[in-house]
Amino acid sequence: ELKVEQNPLFLSMQEGKNYTIYCNYSTTSDRLYWYRQDPGKSLESLFVLLSNGAVKQEGRLMASLDTKARLSTLHITAAVHDLSATYFCAVVFIQGAQKLVFGQGTRLTINP
Amino acid sequence: DTAVSQTPKYLVTQMGNDKSIKCEQNLGHDTMYWYKQDSKKFLKIMFSYNNKELIINETVPNRFSPKSPDKAHLNLHINSLELGDSAVYFCASSHYGTGTIDTQYFGPGTRLTVL
Repeated sequence: ELKVEQNPLFLSMQEGKNYTIYCNYSTTSDRLYWYRQDPGKSLESLFVLLSNGAVKQEGRLMASLDTKARLSTLHITAAVHDLSATYFCAVVFIQGAQKLVFGQGTRLTINP
Repeated sequence: DTAVSQTPKYLVTQMGNDKSIKCEQNLGHDTMYWYKQDSKKFLKIMFSYNNKELIINETVPNRFSPKSPDKAHLNLHINSLELGDSAVYFCASSHYGTGTIDTQYFGPGTRLTVL
């Protein structure tokens, strides 16, 4: 069965610093998503990564995918308070039909 | 112009009751989903419908029964509610095309509290 593991699960950092969230998955997949969830809110799609070596960037967030290592990273550059949220990676898994399997989420807190 | 909507947003009820949650999407997607997010924020798929046909049915108690009257609607009925059913339930939709699912768009969630 597919397992998706994020690291770290909790991250507290200072504004202006850089950090990386890691997402490992256990079975081959060709599609990975990153979502953001604010407290008490819904999930918002950030990135979809479709192939090995894919890199997507939006503002201070950059996501990459290494399908051979079964690893995706979400890099935060010069963090600002507005990026405080829980970030989820999700991997497409085929078991009959296709489904998204989510990681545990990384709760990111950015302090002034 | 809400894309995926759910009602109600909050649901507080007693153990043993039966309740329903409704979901509607206006994105023209052909696939809809129900997810459960527990108190630790872990998100797990429960059901998925493609063109009104059930395609994913995870190991969910049969007290949970989804119904899709058309492609734009997916409802979730829960019988004999238990304390462990307390969670946030998210509806989502996507296009299921070219052999793989596209980006899923999530509704605002329904926070169910069973007393």
